[in-house]
Amino acid sequence: DTEVTQTPKHLVMGMTNKKSLKCEQHMGHRAMYWYKQKAKKPPELMFVYSYEKLSINESVPSRFSPECPNSSLLNLHLHALQPEDSALYLCASSQDFAGIRETQYFGPGTRLLVL
Amino acid sequence: KQEVTQIPAALSVPEGENLVLNCSFTDSAIYNLQWFRQDPGKGLTSLLLIQSSQREQTSGRLNASLDKSSGRSTLYIAASQPGDSATYLCAVRPRSYIPTFGRGTSLIVHP
Repeated sequence: DTEVTQTPKHLVMGMTNKKSLKCEQHMGHRAMYWYKQKAKKPPELMFVYSYEKLSINESVPSRFSPECPNSSLLNLHLHALQPEDSALYLCASSQDFAGIRETQYFGPGTRLLVL
Repeated sequence: KQEVTQIPAALSVPEGENLVLNCSFTDSAIYNLQWFRQDPGKGLTSLLLIQSSQREQTSGRLNASLDKSSGRSTLYIAASQPGDSATYLCAVRPRSYIPTFGRGTSLIVHP
């Protein structure tokens, strides 16, 4: 099973709302990632968790707050977002973070629209 | 800072053609390179991963090569089919381990 699941598939929120994105994998992977992808652009790395600890934060605004409750789950909490935050949010996982054999497996993404 | 470039940006071909997609990167100190496929509005599907010590990888009609010293990788698609229509992205894993993606090649294979 090489599946990464993400919920919800679509999300519309106002700038004052608080919402959360959820990502789950059951492959025993110890590294999990959040990416943001705007239309016709490549994915941009936001956060990396390795062994449930935040390893990388690519200077992401504090209105995005990641959380890794356990090795299978990754959340992204959203608060006071701006319209320019509208994008496809992708979750990925890999066996480990560092290593030459690390294949990343991506989920289907959450399409976020901020009004 | 690692930069990844993919050429061409878009490609439209008739069914049955053999294709070559190109990916170049500026810093040859990489751990691996991974090719993905992305359908519109969807997530990324991993196609092939080439470790830095390898020269090529094959999966079905796909063959990816890596020339680390010149900073280049190619994805060869044999006997293209309409179902191959998608955006193809390459991503390199540099020494920082932070994956860096190219902007992709948008492929249309028409019947």
